Amino acid sequence: NAGVTQTPKFRVLKTGQSMTLLCAQDMNHEYMYWYRQDPGMGLRLIHYSVGEGTTAKGEVPDGYNVSRLKKQNFLLGLESAAPSQTSVYFCASSSQGSGANVLTFGAGSRLTVL
Amino acid sequence: AQTVTQSQPEMSVQEAETVTLSCTYDTSESDYYLFWYKQPPSRQMILVIRQEAYKQQNATENRFSVNFQKAAKSFSLKISDSQLGDAAMYFCAYRWNDMRFGAGTRLTVKP
Repeated sequence: NAGVTQTPKFRVLKTGQSMTLLCAQDMNHEYMYWYRQDPGMGLRLIHYSVGEGTTAKGEVPDGYNVSRLKKQNFLLGLESAAPSQTSVYFCASSSQGSGANVLTFGAGSRLTVL
Repeated sequence: AQTVTQSQPEMSVQEAETVTLSCTYDTSESDYYLFWYKQPPSRQMILVIRQEAYKQQNATENRFSVNFQKAAKSFSLKISDSQLGDAAMYFCAYRWNDMRFGAGTRLTVKP
């Protein structure tokens, strides 16, 4: 029962490099989210998706791109990494419909940009 | 845009005592959902309790209960009989379309 799996768990990048974080869920959830967590700022929504082939911007979308080509996967891309993108990234998913549906989170991915 | 505010960056409680964590939010919607999540040092996000805005009755889950004041847009979490394992970051969250979180409150439990 994997739930939400994020890869990689840790990554160190140099400024200007690109990378992709992969989120995979096996619960047939419609909704998927990417958050970043920084000290003193809680979790801030980067992008989210309400279904396969759809994406939407959250609170802090600049510098990130996402894709949802398959229902079970939600990719977060950094085209040109900056030190300000050093953070812990969380993916989450939920079923559609009632807003009471709880988000299931992945374990997080720590990204350091030098 | 909806915002969630947690005004207490840190709180401390003695083991077996009661502590209340505060949360306020801003919204123009009438039907929405509120949550408290716990994040221990393992970094895993764990749901503590949730409240539907259309329900007047406050939610409870064992030692955890909320005080939901819809008109005041307030959603506080009360932890009774605090245990060492309750030590963690606690995040208040609001959901209407997407899910927005507050900045968190770090709870320390003293033995």
